[in-house]
Amino acid sequence: EPEVTQTPSHQVTQMGQEVILRCVPISNHLYFYWYRQILGQKVEFLVSFYNNEISEKSEIFDDQFSVERPDGSNFTLKIRSTKLEDSAMYFCASYRTNSYEQYFGPGTRLTVT
Amino acid sequence: ELKVEQNPLFLSMQEGKNYTIYCNYSTTSDRLYWYRQDPGKSLESLFVLLSNGAVKQEGRLMASLDTKARLSTLHITAAVHDLSATYFCAQGYSGAGSYQLTFGKGTKLSVIP
Repeated sequence: EPEVTQTPSHQVTQMGQEVILRCVPISNHLYFYWYRQILGQKVEFLVSFYNNEISEKSEIFDDQFSVERPDGSNFTLKIRSTKLEDSAMYFCASYRTNSYEQYFGPGTRLTVT
Repeated sequence: ELKVEQNPLFLSMQEGKNYTIYCNYSTTSDRLYWYRQDPGKSLESLFVLLSNGAVKQEGRLMASLDTKARLSTLHITAAVHDLSATYFCAQGYSGAGSYQLTFGKGTKLSVIP
């Protein structure tokens, strides 16, 4: 069964550093998402991406964040200058318009020290 | 602002008992999702409810949707230890067709012998 994959599974970085989180969505899906979950809290929407541009973004997704689909398979989330409060699990998800379900990847745990 | 409220947030129940988790959402939505999350893991899709009166069942779990009351329920029948996890409901909101999800805080379920 096709699945969303994410790399790395765990990333440790120092405050102020740039990080790039990578995702490979399911191949025939058209919408891509990033969500985050701070430890012990609910899952929060960050951004959705369709047709090579951002569809929607939340208030969390400020100028420090950017997304890109650099090729036909990868979907990336970049945090330019990480803060301690960016420490969270980041989930990528993808969606095909006639399937209703969003499929989540295994997540990348980001730890900012 | 979209709000999704779940209750209870914590639920400890004995094996063999029945219980219901409630999910209220603030605005009209044509999609309501239930996910399961095990500690440190990703989100596993359980149900997608698409219309008023929809009922779906899988094993010991049954989900229903009342769009007029803006309420979804997840009913657990004869709980077993394997059902111990955190359960999230999420409202699907179509912004520019992208259907980003707004999650509740989750219900942490512990099934004890």
